[in-house]
Amino acid sequence: DTAVSQTPKYLVTQMGNDKSIKCEQNLGHDTMYWYKQDSKKFLKIMFSYNNKELIINETVPNRFSPKSPDKAHLNLHINSLELGDSAVYFCASSHGDRRGPQHFGDGTRLSIL
Amino acid sequence: AQKVTQAQTEISVVEKEDVTLDCVYETRDTTYYLFWYKQPPSGELVFLIRRNSFDEQNEISGRYSWNFQKSTSSFNFTITASQVVDSAVYFCALRLLRGGSEKLVFGKGTKLTVNP
Repeated sequence: DTAVSQTPKYLVTQMGNDKSIKCEQNLGHDTMYWYKQDSKKFLKIMFSYNNKELIINETVPNRFSPKSPDKAHLNLHINSLELGDSAVYFCASSHGDRRGPQHFGDGTRLSIL
Repeated sequence: AQKVTQAQTEISVVEKEDVTLDCVYETRDTTYYLFWYKQPPSGELVFLIRRNSFDEQNEISGRYSWNFQKSTSSFNFTITASQVVDSAVYFCALRLLRGGSEKLVFGKGTKLTVNP
C-alpha cells in the first residue's frame, strides 16, 4: 500500500564509499524528485525527473547521479561519499501535469563516519 | 527572489491552546501554489494542504485552518485546541514551475511542541 517507498531507511557508511538509495512509487505519477534535508531540517530539491528525463538539477555535485529506469523508479547513486553528505534524503513524486501535491517517501537517513 | 520565510523557529504551547504558524512568501510568478507539510518526530513528510494563487478563500479542515492573503503574501496555518499529537515540524512551501517540471521551495520550518 505504500505510495512512495525508499530503501534503505538508514545507511551508515564510511567516507569515500559509493552508495545507492532506491525509490519506487505506485501512484502512477510520471514525475519524481530527490530532496535533501540537512541537519538543520532545511529541505532543498536536488533533482527532478519527468518520464525518465532529467528536468531539474540544482547544482548538485556530480558525485550524485540519479537514474530513472522507468517512470515508477528514481534511484540516487552517490560516489566518494563525504562527511557533508550526511543528511536525510527524500524521494517524492507527483503528476507531471501538476495535478495534486508531491507525495514524499519516508526518507533515507545517510550517516557518514 | 523566490522564497518562503517562516519566522517562528520554535513554538511551545500547552494542550488545548490555539496556535498560528506564520508563512510569508515571495515570488515573481503570477500563478503559483502554496503548501503546508507536517514532519512528525518519526520523520516522514505529510501533505496537509495545497492552495493556488487564484483562490483566496480560507480553508478549514477539522482543527486546522489556513488563511491565505495575497495582499500580504502570507499563508498562515492555525491549529485550534492543539493536541500533543500535533507536535511536529511544519513546513510551508512554494511550488515553482521550471522547464516542464516543478520544484518545491521550502521555508525553514517551525517546530511546534504541544505540552500536556
